[in-house]
Amino acid sequence: EVQLVESGGGLVKPGGSLRLSCAASGFNFQYYAMHWVRQAPGKGLEWVSSISSTSSYISYADSVKGRFTISRDNAKNLVFLQMNSLRTEDTALYYCASPQGGSYYDPFDHWGQGNPVIVAA
Amino acid sequence: IVLTQSPGILSLSPGETATLSCRASHSINSGFLAWYQQKPGQAPRLLIFGASKRATGIPDRFSGSASGTDFTLTITGLETEDFAVYYCQQYGSSWTFGHGTKVEIK
Repeated sequence: EVQLVESGGGLVKPGGSLRLSCAASGFNFQYYAMHWVRQAPGKGLEWVSSISSTSSYISYADSVKGRFTISRDNAKNLVFLQMNSLRTEDTALYYCASPQGGSYYDPFDHWGQGNPVIVAA
Repeated sequence: IVLTQSPGILSLSPGETATLSCRASHSINSGFLAWYQQKPGQAPRLLIFGASKRATGIPDRFSGSASGTDFTLTITGLETEDFAVYYCQQYGSSWTFGHGTKVEIK
């Protein structure tokens, strides 16, 4: 059974940093791209960042480019999202998601439960 | 690519048919358009990919279609568990979600 478990969220002041982790199990993680998607309170889904299986390809939404960094550790089945210079508008539930066939451009068929990040003074 | 979903809210009764629209600002590579269902407090669930293919375990009352840059999700014979928010997503050129359509009980 595929499981994605996010951790590392919490309350942080504007300008601060957080590092989200997503622990994956139940599939051959090293061959799968991975994604981060967020959802602000009461709002829709927003794609944040993606990383290919070997980290050769990395993409970011314009809203986080230059502030967030995605990375992965294939030996530990982990994907990370380092979030720096956080803003109040980054407040959201952050999901990690895995693609259906593992490819960078596949739909997202497994999702974690989400990890809340609150940026407030 | 910007995805515009309509209507924002759809009020229907169980047993009725829901027709949800998603219009793309540009053509989507290889029809890489997906639909997701999200219920309160839950993560999204993949329903449709490749514009018209049902994901594993999705009932056949859910169907997707495409015509150029216009995509449609149809739910034939709404059941109570289908009342939720639905998002379209393109995954052919970076990734973008529409703003969602809420299907509520009338």
